[in-house]
This record gives sequence, structure tokens and C-alpha cells, in this order.
Amino acid sequence: EDKVVQSPLSLVVHEGDTVTLNCSYEVTNFRSLLWYKQEKKAPTFLFMLTSSGIEKKSGRLSSILDKKELFSILNITATQTGDSAVYLCAVGEYGNKLVFGAGTILRVKS
Amino acid sequence: NAGVTQTPKFRILKIGQSMTLQCAQDMNHNYMYWYRQDPGMGLKLIYYSVGAGITDKGEVPNGYNVSRSTTEDFPLRLELAAPSQTSVYFCASSKTRDEQFFGPGTRLTVL
Repeated sequence: EDKVVQSPLSLVVHEGDTVTLNCSYEVTNFRSLLWYKQEKKAPTFLFMLTSSGIEKKSGRLSSILDKKELFSILNITATQTGDSAVYLCAVGEYGNKLVFGAGTILRVKS
Repeated sequence: NAGVTQTPKFRILKIGQSMTLQCAQDMNHNYMYWYRQDPGMGLKLIYYSVGAGITDKGEVPNGYNVSRSTTEDFPLRLELAAPSQTSVYFCASSKTRDEQFFGPGTRLTVL
């Protein structure tokens, strides 16, 4: 069975800290890995990764994929209270499915 | 562009009642999806569609039905509501098979 596992389940940090969120996967026909941020409502897209070792960056957020070890990390530097959210990892398979992990709950304290 | 819209935002149903959750997108996306999200869980795919007139089951289709008569609309039908269907329902659409845009969600409670 295809699965996506995220860790940690939750964490609490202080503003200014750096955090690393993990996503490991076991899927039959890997196509892409996506990160979403969910604040109360709908998930919003952050990154899509398809190639190993190529870092994607957007401001203080960055992500990288390791297709050999089947995992990805999402880094957030200089965290702010506005980064508090659930971060979802999803793996796209050949076909039309995204398989989602349970998410990591991040709380940034001021 | 309104993006992906969903109605209603909230709904309480009694066991055995039926309802339709509406979803519409104005981005001319071919792909549309319905997910449910239970507390502490990721999103589970219920049904998806790759274009008007074409639908297929996802991971958890039991108790639901869909139709796709137009590119814009993708309603989800619950025929006999059960407490296990209490959840938050998200509709999403995409141009390609990957990056999906989500609607604001419908919070459904079945009592």
C-alpha cells in the first residue's frame, strides 16, 4: 500500500528558530513530491519536486528531494508566527492521484 | 478569477439524509478532485475527474457519487449520510496532474 509518512507530528519553536520537516514515502510509481501549507482552511501550494538533489527555494522556505532514500525535507529559517500552520507532504503518482501524509503541525511562539 | 469555490461552508445532516456538495472552478482546469480530511489525518481522495463526462474512484469512494457534466462543476453527492462521513471536504482542481488548487472546504457533521 502506498504511504507517505511525515515527522514530527507536531513541534513548537520560538520566532527566529530554524525548523526541518521530514517526509518519507513508499509509492509504486513516483512522479513528484509536493509540499502544501494549510492554515485553518484550504491547503496552499508551496513546492513541487521531481528531481533528486535540486533545492527549491522561496524566501525563507526551501525543500529538497532524495529519490534514492525516498524522502524530502522542508526547511524554514528565521521562523515567524505567520509560519504557524499544518505542513502537508503529498506524492504524485503516475495516474491522477496525490497521496497525502498526515501533516506536521508547526506552532511558532513569539 | 474566483479559483475553486465550494458551497455550503458548513452543514449538519441527520443520519440517512442526502445532500450535494457543490464545487466550481473558473480556471478551465480539466482535472478535478474531491478529498475528505479527518482530524489529525491527511487528505483522502474520494473521487476525481480528468475531464467532462469522465470520473473515477479514489481511495475512499463508498457512500459518495459524483458527476462531471461541465468542465467547471464537479458536485459530490452523499445519498444516505452516516456519522462516519463527518469530515471536512475539499474540492481541488489542476491543469496538470500535479499542482492542485484547493477550495475553502465544507465542514459536514452527521448526527
